[in-house]
Amino acid sequence: GESVGLHLPTLSVQEGDNSIINCAYSNSASDYFIWYKQESGKGPQFIIDIRSNMDKRQGQRVTVLLNKTVKHLSLQIAATQPGDSAVYFCAEEDQAGTALIFGKGTTLSVSS
Amino acid sequence: KAGVTQTPRYLIKTRGQQVTLSCSPISGHRSVSWYQQTPGQGLQFLFEYFSETQRNKGNFPGRFSGRQFSNSRSEMNVSTLELGDSALYLCASSAKPGLPNTEAFFGQGTRLTVV
Repeated sequence: GESVGLHLPTLSVQEGDNSIINCAYSNSASDYFIWYKQESGKGPQFIIDIRSNMDKRQGQRVTVLLNKTVKHLSLQIAATQPGDSAVYFCAEEDQAGTALIFGKGTTLSVSS
Repeated sequence: KAGVTQTPRYLIKTRGQQVTLSCSPISGHRSVSWYQQTPGQGLQFLFEYFSETQRNKGNFPGRFSGRQFSNSRSEMNVSTLELGDSALYLCASSAKPGLPNTEAFFGQGTRLTVV
């Protein structure tokens, strides 16, 4: 079945470091991928998305990389800040193209 | 502009009871999606409504239902509650249905505990 997974449930970094959060997906037909950030007590917040016709997309301090060959998605956060501490989810488009399938999430902890 | 409002924030129910959760989308948004979030299963899509019509439904039993009103507010109902229904129920609103949903905004969720 369709599933999106993450390599590591937790990631701890020092403030100022670059963070890389990885995600493996299983549906090779997925056309759309998205990263969300969820802070404690809040709903998920959109970070960045990417279509399957792209390999890389950059936002403000964030970059998403898509490797369709190995069905791998990653989120890079530059100069990580304490405010980046949260759970990060990757998600892919379902087969119907109308809903998202989420991975289980990686908890990023940033220490000063 | 007010965000997505979900009520109540917290709820405790007994097994076998039913529950209704409410979601008021951002003003002007006509699409509402519901998700269930649990530690074990993560975020799972429940259903999506647009202009009072259910457009898509996730893989949940018929005990889970929803509806949308003409003012775009949405409710979801869970009947015959089971312990496994304990979860954070999240609502997301957007102007348009489907994907991409870069403009989808989530509410803070309703934390349902079934005892």
